[in-house]
Amino acid sequence: ELKVEQNPLFLSMQEGKNYTIYCNYSTTSDRLYWYRQDPGKSLESLFVLLSNGAVKQEGRLMASLDTKARLSTLHITAAVHDLSATYFCAVDRSGGSYIPTFGRGTSLIVHP
Amino acid sequence: EAGVTQFPSHSVIEKGQTVTLRCDPISGHDNLYWYRRVMGKEIKFLLHFVKESKQDESGMPNNRFLAERTGGTYSTLKVQPAELEDSGVYFCASSQVIQETQYFGPGTRLLVL
Repeated sequence: ELKVEQNPLFLSMQEGKNYTIYCNYSTTSDRLYWYRQDPGKSLESLFVLLSNGAVKQEGRLMASLDTKARLSTLHITAAVHDLSATYFCAVDRSGGSYIPTFGRGTSLIVHP
Repeated sequence: EAGVTQFPSHSVIEKGQTVTLRCDPISGHDNLYWYRRVMGKEIKFLLHFVKESKQDESGMPNNRFLAERTGGTYSTLKVQPAELEDSGVYFCASSQVIQETQYFGPGTRLLVL
């Protein structure tokens, strides 16, 4: 059974600091997603990573994927308050089902 | 383009009552998915429709849950009778083709007392 573990689950950081959220998964997968959710809002797709060594960047967020280690990271650079949200990692089940298995989410608070 | 919408946004019911959740996918999206997140836990897959057909319902917890998608447009998820452990946020998502990243709705927050 595919399991996805994120850590940390809670993260409180100061504006301007850097930090990394980790996502480990237990079995081989074809793709990995990072989503963002603001309170009461929809999950918004941030990144889709498809291959080993893939790196994608959008603003202050950068995601990477190491399929051999079954590890993805979401790196936050010079955090700002607007990045406060819950971030979910999700991994497709193998076999091309395209049904993502989610981690528990990382609740990020960026304070002055 | 309107996103995925869900109704109601919140529902508070008593144990034993019935609740029906509705999801309107993005127009033209044949694939519709239901997920649930119990507080603080993972978002878990419930089922997947392709048009009006159930493609995968392996995540449905038990026969108290009934999902329908008549006509291949909107979908409903009925819980009857509701139990305390059914409390959580129910998300709907849709996609045009299954390989596409899913677009999620804002969720329905269900509290069973």
